[in-house]
Amino acid sequence: QVQLVQSGAEVKKPGASVKVSCKASGYTFTSYTMHWVRQAPGQRFEWMGRINTGNGNTKYSEKFQGRVTITRDTSASTAYMELSSLTSEDTAAYYCVRSDCGGDCYLLWHWGQGTLVTVSA
Amino acid sequence: DIQMTQSPSTLSASVGDRVTITCRASQSIGSWLAWHQQKPGKAPNLLIYKASNLKSGVPSRFSGSGSGTEFTLTISSLQPDDSATYFCQQYGSDLLTFGGGTKVEIK
Repeated sequence: QVQLVQSGAEVKKPGASVKVSCKASGYTFTSYTMHWVRQAPGQRFEWMGRINTGNGNTKYSEKFQGRVTITRDTSASTAYMELSSLTSEDTAAYYCVRSDCGGDCYLLWHWGQGTLVTVSA
Repeated sequence: DIQMTQSPSTLSASVGDRVTITCRASQSIGSWLAWHQQKPGKAPNLLIYKASNLKSGVPSRFSGSGSGTEFTLTISSLQPDDSATYFCQQYGSDLLTFGGGTKVEIK
């Protein structure tokens, strides 16, 4: 069965960076696009970006452009999301979400368990 | 950006009740709408995609309808396990956006 297992909770200081991993299993990693979404406390979900796990092409939300980098390691079936220049407003649960197909696919089909990132001085 | 407006924000209903949640898009998204369920402390789960398609394994009491800018999620007979937050998500543009969520409580 499809599983997306994310790395553990992080506490970061303002100005730092965080890198969250998402290890996939139960399917062919390179056949499905991976998205990253976050939810800050009391807020609605926000889409951050996605990666075509087959060719590595990425697309980012303008809101996070320049601060977010999504990568993948096909040998490890793992996707990564790195967010830099953290502020308290980046305190949120971050989710990787597998799409339903490869390429420009935007349906969020299967969610990881989430990683809580807390930004605090 | 396409804005998604969901209503109500909370609802309380009894087991066996028919429950309807509405999602409105700020512009037409065709049928590119999904509904997700999230229980406290858990990751969301996809219930419905392309407005009315039930994901495999999701109970048939869940259904979705609509197109363009107005969509609904219906639970035909509310069960205790349905206590959760439900949110819509549009994928009609390459900037995904989400509704604010509806918290469903069991009376």
